[in-house]
Amino acid sequence: DQQVKQNSPSLSVQEGRISILNCDYTNSMFDYFLWYKKYPAEGPTFLISISSIKDKNEDGRFTVFLNKSAKHLSLHIVPSQPGDSAVYFCAGENTGNQFYFGTGTSLTVIP
Amino acid sequence: ETGVTQSPTHLIKTRGQQVTLRCSSQSGHNTVSWYQQALGQGPQFIFQYYREEENGRGNFPPRFSGLQFPNYSSELNVNALELDDSALYLCASSQDREETQYFGPGTRLLVL
Repeated sequence: DQQVKQNSPSLSVQEGRISILNCDYTNSMFDYFLWYKKYPAEGPTFLISISSIKDKNEDGRFTVFLNKSAKHLSLHIVPSQPGDSAVYFCAGENTGNQFYFGTGTSLTVIP
Repeated sequence: ETGVTQSPTHLIKTRGQQVTLRCSSQSGHNTVSWYQQALGQGPQFIFQYYREEENGRGNFPPRFSGLQFPNYSSELNVNALELDDSALYLCASSQDREETQYFGPGTRLLVL
C-alpha cells in the first residue's frame, strides 16, 4: 500500500534553473509532509516540512507547495546548485505518528 | 551536539538467525523511529519509541521488535531472519515526537 508516491525516479536540471520535484499521496489523514535529501552512504537529511493546514512553506531556496484537493505536493528549488544533486524523498506523517515515504527522485544539477 | 549514530554499519546473517541493531539518538532527543529501506525503495516505517514506550507501528510482523532505554538509545531486534529482511535499516530521532527527524547513516543488513 503505497500511500506516498513519487512518480519521477530522476530529474536533470541546469544550474541556476528551477528544480520541481513532485509527490502524490492517498491518505487524507496526514498531518505533516516532509522532504528529505539523501546523499549516497548517508542517512536522509531533513530539508523542509509543511503542515496540512498550510499550502506553502518557504525556507531560503526551498519552497514546498501543498494542494490538498489534488493530494499533491511539490518541492521547488530556486536557483538549483550542483550541491543539490541527491535523492529527494517526500514523506507524510499521520495522526498515529506513522511516517510514509515515497520511493525518491534522484536530482542531478548540471553545472 | 552529537548526531544520530548506528551500529554496526554492516552485518551479514543467515536465514533463521536473530539480529540486534543499535541506535544512539541525537543529544536531547527522546523519540526514536526505525525504518527499513530496501534497494530502490523509500524508507518503510517499522515503529517509533517515545520515552521508552512504543508509540506507533507500521506494517511489520511481530518478529520485528524494539526497545528504548532510559538514555533514549534504542535497539531493533529481528527474529527468524528471512532473505527479504536484507535492507538498510535507518533510525531517526526527534524531540517529543516532532515531525522533524534526524537520521543516522544506517545499518546495512544482508541475510544469506
